Amino acid sequence: AQRVTQPEKLLSVFKGAPVELKCNYSYSGSPELFWYVQYSRQRLQLLLRHISRESIKGFTADLNKGETSFHLKKPFAQEEDSAMYYCALSHNSGGYQKVTFGTGTKLQVIP
Amino acid sequence: GAGVSQSPSNKVTEKGKDVELRCDPISGHTALYWYRQRLGQGLEFLIYFQGNSAPDKSGLPSDRFSAERTGESVSTLTIQRTQQEDSAVYLCASSRVSDFRSSYNEQFFGPGTRLTVL
Repeated sequence: AQRVTQPEKLLSVFKGAPVELKCNYSYSGSPELFWYVQYSRQRLQLLLRHISRESIKGFTADLNKGETSFHLKKPFAQEEDSAMYYCALSHNSGGYQKVTFGTGTKLQVIP
Repeated sequence: GAGVSQSPSNKVTEKGKDVELRCDPISGHTALYWYRQRLGQGLEFLIYFQGNSAPDKSGLPSDRFSAERTGESVSTLTIQRTQQEDSAVYLCASSRVSDFRSSYNEQFFGPGTRLTVL
């Protein structure tokens, strides 16, 4: 069965320090992975997807199939990065795409 | 147009009462999802609707929970005989058709309904 694991419930870093939010997955097929973010008092929204290989707000994430990981990274954390981050896996379920979310990591950037 | 909307935004109820939560997806979005987010915890999948296919109800925690969807529009999540552990934010999301042969379609989330069971 598919699973998304985010081992850290809370990650605190100082402003300007590097950030790495961990995500591991298990899925027998070809995965499509994403990061969603929820800022305080805002809606949950898509941050980035692995197929785009994009950098959004300085964040990047590389899919490592060997390690089944999709860690989210940013070289220098900013206070506005403080939010809840969810890793998600899109997979085939009965002919349609279903998304499984991890339990989330709260990122706290300390000024 | 407008994004996903949910109502009510807040609901306080007494233990044992039934509640009904509503979700209006983005027009044209055939896929609709319900999630539960308990305080301090992550997203918990509840149910998924896709077009005319049978819904995926595998995430519903008990038979007190049910959901309906009218065509490809409004959905209601009903919780019968509410319990205190049902207290949470209930999130709805919608996306365009999500055939597995096509690229992933982004899920757009509503603002949620905060349910408090006293």
